[in-house]
Order: sequence, then C-alpha cells, then structure tokens
Amino acid sequence: QKEVEQNSGPLSVPEGAIASLNCTYSDRGSQSFFWYRQYSGKSPELIMFIYSNGDKEDGRFTAQLNKASQYVSLLIRDSQPSDSATYLCAVNMPGGYQKVTFGTGTKLQVIP
Amino acid sequence: DAMVIQNPRYQVTQFGKPVTLSCSQTLNHNVMYWYQQKSSQAPKLLFHYYDKDFNNEADTPDNFQSRRPNTSFCFLDIRSPGLGDAAMYLCATISEGGGQYFGAGTRLSVL
Repeated sequence: QKEVEQNSGPLSVPEGAIASLNCTYSDRGSQSFFWYRQYSGKSPELIMFIYSNGDKEDGRFTAQLNKASQYVSLLIRDSQPSDSATYLCAVNMPGGYQKVTFGTGTKLQVIP
Repeated sequence: DAMVIQNPRYQVTQFGKPVTLSCSQTLNHNVMYWYQQKSSQAPKLLFHYYDKDFNNEADTPDNFQSRRPNTSFCFLDIRSPGLGDAAMYLCATISEGGGQYFGAGTRLSVL
C-alpha cells in the first residue's frame, strides 16, 4: 500500500465549477497535511496546510481533513483555467525533521 | 524575491561525467532538502539537513552526495550520472505551517 495515494486524473471540470481533489494516507501517526500546486515544468508551490479535523478555508480553496478515515481533500471553488495544474498531496512522516511524503498528484483541467 | 535559488536552471551532462547542482536560501533556515522528481512522479526525497546534521534516505543511491558548507548553501553532487538520473532536482527549505518552500529546480539531462 502506498503511503499517500491520489487519483492521477485527469480531472476535468468546467470553468466556474467546484473541483474536488482527494488523498488518502496510510500512517495514522501523521499530523500535518499539505496541498501543493505544480504547473507543468515548474516546481511545487504550497497552497494549503491543515492539522486539525474539519475544514480550513483560504480564498477559493478549502482543505478538509478526516483523520479517522485517513482522508484529506482540497476543494477549489469557482475554478479558473489558471487552476489547471497537478495538485500534490503531502503528509508528514513522524520522526524526521519535517519530512513529508508526496502523492503522485492529480492533474486538474479546467475547461473554459 | 526568490528565497530558494537553484543554479543552473538547466544542466546537460554526459553519461558518467560528474555534475554539481547548487542551492542557496535567504531564509536562514536550518533545514534544507534535496528532492528528485521524474515526469509524472512524486518528488522523491534524497537527503535532508538539520543544520549540519545530514540525513540520507535509505534508498538514495551512493552515486548521489551532498554538501552543506554553511546555512545558506547546499550542493548536490552526482558522481557518475546515468541516463536514469535525468530528472528535475528540487531544493527546498521550511515554509509556513511546516510545509516546504521549493526553489525553481534544476532540470538535468544526461546524454
């Protein structure tokens, strides 16, 4: 079982719709969860982090965490073509100096 | 202004010819990371430093070495690059919330 799993996509949504990206993780000891956006040929950019169960909102982005189900998600409201990118989920690995494990990412395509 | 700077952005080397990638950070953070990312794959952690405390991942090949002469600078040395080492190499330090702040990356090609 992979430590961090994401559907590779592509996930296609029309402009203005809500995009929902999902991630599951295997280590119940994980405490910190991150979402990165990566445009093609560029480096990952941190867009959200969440520690506690529930929702965390930042502008058009909402991160949701359910530790009991070992599930974290990212919602993007009012999706724009500029949101088209690969979204990487990352989970901290207990015991290291802020080490994280990345999922392989979900490719999001926002159709104008 | 960029806070993690990687040079060069693109590097072409020949099979077996040693290459060094560099990274600097202006955040003065004590943690730095090197990742390797191949197309459509997750970033894979090669090493990380806490100050000068060097941590090598168990599956990082011996062909990869790293140096951190001071807080600001970190180097990745590939002693004998193979075709399978062609990838994007990402340097990072700590960002808000404990996530990572990445440099722009160095894309390595091996001929």
